[in-house]
Amino acid sequence: DAGVTQTPRHEVAEKGQTIILKCEPVSGHNDLFWYRQTKIQGLELLSYFRSKSLMEDGGAFKDRFKAEMLNSSFSTLKIQPTEPKDSAVYLCASSLWTGGSQNTLYFGAGTRLSVL
Amino acid sequence: QQKVQQSPESLSVPEGGMASLNCTSSDRNFQYFWWYRQHSGEGPKALMSIFSDGDKKEGRFTAHLNKASLHVSLHIRDSQPSDSALYFCAASRPGYQNFYFGKGTSLTVIP
Repeated sequence: DAGVTQTPRHEVAEKGQTIILKCEPVSGHNDLFWYRQTKIQGLELLSYFRSKSLMEDGGAFKDRFKAEMLNSSFSTLKIQPTEPKDSAVYLCASSLWTGGSQNTLYFGAGTRLSVL
Repeated sequence: QQKVQQSPESLSVPEGGMASLNCTSSDRNFQYFWWYRQHSGEGPKALMSIFSDGDKKEGRFTAHLNKASLHVSLHIRDSQPSDSALYFCAASRPGYQNFYFGKGTSLTVIP
């Protein structure tokens, strides 16, 4: 089975540019998460979707970060405009919510973003 | 404020030794806990979950949960160089699928 696919794996942007990161969740999963990972802050939630509806939006990230689920099998994260402090690894994860107990997250390999 | 705290930040153990990682939560609503492992250049992968007080063993890995003290630990026996990775503790609340992650413990197993 295909896992979570993230593209591109690496992205280099100039300050002020707009960049779009892409994610394909595990087929059939209905929960999708975007996280930012840095050594200092660890994993920070950016956005959380259930069945394409936005459930949670990381408060500190509302300004320049916008995640969308165009359909159940594709999501994008747009950062506009980029700033050097956005340099981090961006992780997409999905899981299957069945209404019962909590379910495991499956992560993609991440996109490493460098903003110059 | 970080809702999930992990210790130590880094840990070195000899090959074949026991590694012990700790995680403490500050939110009494957390009922579900996971350990995730991340090798360099990869995304985190779930290692094991624990939802009830007591021990849960999967192969060389044993998780222990004490909900009263909001403490969960992970013990890796017979550590292997392939266990060298970043280990995250994650917690969530009932009926709420968002997960809160600790900052991780970096484990190095020395051959």
